[in-house]
Amino acid sequence: QVQLVESGGGVVQPGRSLRLSCAASEFTFSSYAMQWLRQAPGKGLEWVAVISYDGSNQYYADSVKGRFTISRDNSRNTLYLQMNSLRVEDTAVYYCARGRVSYSGSSAYQYWGQGTLVTVSS
Amino acid sequence: EIVLTQSPGTLSLSPGERATLSCWASQTVTRSYLAWYQQKPGQAPRLLIFGASSRATGIPDRFSGSGSGTDFTLTISRLEPEDFAVYYCQQYGSSPITFGQGTRLEIK
Repeated sequence: QVQLVESGGGVVQPGRSLRLSCAASEFTFSSYAMQWLRQAPGKGLEWVAVISYDGSNQYYADSVKGRFTISRDNSRNTLYLQMNSLRVEDTAVYYCARGRVSYSGSSAYQYWGQGTLVTVSS
Repeated sequence: EIVLTQSPGTLSLSPGERATLSCWASQTVTRSYLAWYQQKPGQAPRLLIFGASSRATGIPDRFSGSGSGTDFTLTISRLEPEDFAVYYCQQYGSSPITFGQGTRLEIK
C-alpha cells in the first residue's frame, strides 16, 4: 500500500523558514514525479510545486516562486519543501502527492499524504 | 492560467437522488486532463475521475465523469450517505495546475 507521510509543520513567525518532508514507501519513489499542494483553513486546494522523477526539473506556483524550493532524495525516498520568507497567507495544510503515471508530470494525483499544518503567525 | 469554475457552489440533495456537478474551464483543457476529487472534513482529497471520464481504482460505478474541451460534468447516479462531501475539479494538462473552488454536496 502506497504511503506518503508528511512532517515538519508547525507555528512559525512571518519571515522565518521551515522545511517540510514527505516520506514515501511501498512504491518505486525514483520513478514518479512528486507534488506539493496546500489548503488554507476553510479554503480550496492550491497546487504549490512539482519535481520530476529524477529531480532535474522543478516548477512552482507564482505565489511561492523565489521563496519555496522543492527537492528530493531518491536514496532516502523523501520529498522536501524548503519554505523561506514565510507569509501569513502561507498558512495551510500542506500535502505531498503522487501521480498515477510513472515518469509523468501530467498525471492526476492518485495518492496523497495526510497533510501537515503550517501556521505563520506573529 | 486556466481558471476552473464549479457550479453550483452548494448542492442540497437526499440519499438516493442523482447529483450533477459542473466544471467550466476558461480555456480548452489539454487532452481532457481533467480530474475530480472528493474531500471529507479532516481528510486528504480522494481521486475519483481522471482523464475526464475514467474512474480511479476502487471508485464505485455510481460515479461517472463526462465532457471535453471546456465543459465537464461529474455525475453521482444514486447518492449514498458517504457521498456527502466537497468535490473539486482539477486540470493537470497545462501549467500551472489549477483547481476549481469546489462544490459542497450536503444532505437535504
